[in-house]
Amino acid sequence: AQSVTQLDSQVPVFEEAPVELRCNYSSSVSVYLFWYVQYPNQGLQLLLKYLSGSTLVKGINGFEAEFNKSQTSFHLRKPSVHISDTAEYFCAVHNNDMRFGAGTRLTVKP
Amino acid sequence: NAGVTQTPKFQVLKTGQSMTLQCAQDMNHNSMYWYRQDPGMGLRLIYYSASEGTTDKGEVPNGYNVSRLNKREFSLRLESAAPSQTSVYFCASRGQGTYEQYFGPGTRLTVT
Repeated sequence: AQSVTQLDSQVPVFEEAPVELRCNYSSSVSVYLFWYVQYPNQGLQLLLKYLSGSTLVKGINGFEAEFNKSQTSFHLRKPSVHISDTAEYFCAVHNNDMRFGAGTRLTVKP
Repeated sequence: NAGVTQTPKFQVLKTGQSMTLQCAQDMNHNSMYWYRQDPGMGLRLIYYSASEGTTDKGEVPNGYNVSRLNKREFSLRLESAAPSQTSVYFCASRGQGTYEQYFGPGTRLTVT
């Protein structure tokens, strides 16, 4: 079964700085990859997904992620964050079922 | 479209009490899921239903039962609540031929 590791549990950054949230997965077969965002006291919303094709995928709110098959990674990036990006971010991998990482709490400071 | 709805939003139970968490979706999705979210552990799958009339265990099914009442509704029952079941519970659904899941707003359950 696949597993998902989010390498940072918390990432504090200043407003307008770039950010990268790291995700690695383990799977011996092809997978589909997702990033979800969870704002306080809400459910998860899909940010972006990789199913096939271009390894650089763009999502909502200016986020993008790059699929790297050789490094089994799917890191999430944003060139300039806003206060409103403060949330928890989950990486997820779908093979036969969906597995979620433990989450990364992004805190954007003024 | 309301998407995925869950009731109640909050619940406090005493050890040994029972309750049912309700979930409904209006997207005509075949698959529905129940997860629990605990700090530092992400989301863990409790049960899922690939289609109306079928249910299967996920990663952490002990202490829970489910019912897929119809295509829209998927309920989660705690027969005898335990403090270890204190968590936030999320219902999700997925359409046929797609892989992304759509989540409800969650139920925050505390068992004392």
